[in-house]
Amino acid sequence: DAKTTQPTSMDCAEGRAANLPCNHSTISGNEYVYWYRQIHSQGPQYIIHGLKNNETNEMASLIITEDRKSSTLILPHATLRDTAVYYCIVPPPPEGGSNYKLTFGKGTLLTVNP
Amino acid sequence: EAGVTQFPSHSVIEKGQTVTLRCDPISGHDNLYWYRRVMGKEIKFLLHFVKESKQDESGMPNNRFLAERTGGTYSTLKVQPAELEDSGVYFCASSRRGPLLNTEAFFGQGTRLTVV
Repeated sequence: DAKTTQPTSMDCAEGRAANLPCNHSTISGNEYVYWYRQIHSQGPQYIIHGLKNNETNEMASLIITEDRKSSTLILPHATLRDTAVYYCIVPPPPEGGSNYKLTFGKGTLLTVNP
Repeated sequence: EAGVTQFPSHSVIEKGQTVTLRCDPISGHDNLYWYRRVMGKEIKFLLHFVKESKQDESGMPNNRFLAERTGGTYSTLKVQPAELEDSGVYFCASSRRGPLLNTEAFFGQGTRLTVV
């Protein structure tokens, strides 16, 4: 599995952009980078994923470096409800084409302050 | 479209009893996963179904845990007999069929199991 490294915690002011970094220096060419988050006591929530190009959806943007060894999740206008643990995950390639095993590490606790 | 539904949301049982957790995936999702978060630990993968077949059950802790998905729709996870260390939050997730490296998994709200 490609190991990911994230800061333990970060703070962000409400209304400002939150930039969450992730290192995945051992990522291989066909492995995607996924971001999930878990708001307290809820189930994990999918945010975004990408392979090599930058991606944007209604929740966030994902910036992947050209060498793919790191990425940044950007929440453009953080709100108090974005306070959560954010997980950067690189699932291993499927075995037999049918595996999708998310490995949740400790993630980054993002606290959005008023 | 309904999301992934888990039942019950909470369960408190005594050590040695049996508990069955249920997960209803999003309609049409062939892939179904069970995960568990034990207090203070990270979320851990338990097993993966494709339709009714177990594709990967490498994360199942021991033979006290039995997961089924008869008919390829909803799934159950039975713990028999329950032990204190089985306490935690059990999450179910589902994803649609297709290139599995390029699709997202949708999680339920979890079942909080407390064994006393």
